[in-house]
Amino acid sequence: YDLTQPPSVSVSPGQTARITCSGDGLVNQYAYWYQQKPGQAPVLIIYKDKERPSGIPKRFSGSSSGTTVTLTISGVQAEDEADYYCQSADTDGSYVFGTGTKVTVL
Amino acid sequence: QVQIVQSGAEVRKPGASVKVSCKASGHTFPRYAVHWVRQAPGQSLEWMGYVNAGTGNTKYSQEFQARVTFTRDTSASTAYMELGSLTSKDTAVYYCATERQHDYGFDYWGQGTLVIVSS
Repeated sequence: YDLTQPPSVSVSPGQTARITCSGDGLVNQYAYWYQQKPGQAPVLIIYKDKERPSGIPKRFSGSSSGTTVTLTISGVQAEDEADYYCQSADTDGSYVFGTGTKVTVL
Repeated sequence: QVQIVQSGAEVRKPGASVKVSCKASGHTFPRYAVHWVRQAPGQSLEWMGYVNAGTGNTKYSQEFQARVTFTRDTSASTAYMELGSLTSKDTAVYYCATERQHDYGFDYWGQGTLVIVSS
C-alpha cells in the first residue's frame, strides 16, 4: 500500500513543524520515521509510532490517529533541515516507505 | 560501537548483475534482520527485502523477487545482496540496515553503495 507525505514543509527557526503520513495500513501497523540529510544514510528518529531511540532529541515526537501519523519537530533548529520519511509494514511482512518530505528551515 | 560498512561503488552494463556486501561489527550479527533499501537519484526510499542473519530466511519485495538474492555469512558478520538483469532504472544507492528487534525500526544503516548501470 502507499504512504503519502507532503512534498515539502517550510518552518522558521524555533517554530513547530508537523509532517503527516497517510495510508490505510497505518490503522493496524506501527509507523517509523527517518531523517536523511544530503549524501547521508537515513537515521531512525521515531519507532512504534511515538518512541524515540536513544540519542534522538526530545524535540522530535510522533503521534498516530487512524490512517494518519504525524511527526512533530518542536523548536526547529537549522540542523533539522533534511528529508523525512515515514515507514510502515504490510500484513504480509513487507515494508513500505512514504513519499518523503523535505523540511526547509527558513 | 555498532558499525555497518558496505562495499564500494560499482558500475555495470545493462543485463549484468551486481553483488553488494554489508559487514556488521560491534554487535551480535546473527540475531538480526538485515534489510536492503535502495534510493534512486532524487527519489524516495524503496524497500527490497531482508535476510534473517541467524536463520538465513528471506523475504523479498514483489518488485524484486524475480531477480534479487540475499545471503549471509555469519562467520564474517556479512550480508550480501545480488541483483541481476540490471537496467538503467537500477541506478541507485543501495543501503543495508539492521532491525535488531522486531517493531523497533531499522536502527543501524550502512553508508550506502552507489550502483551505476550504463552501457
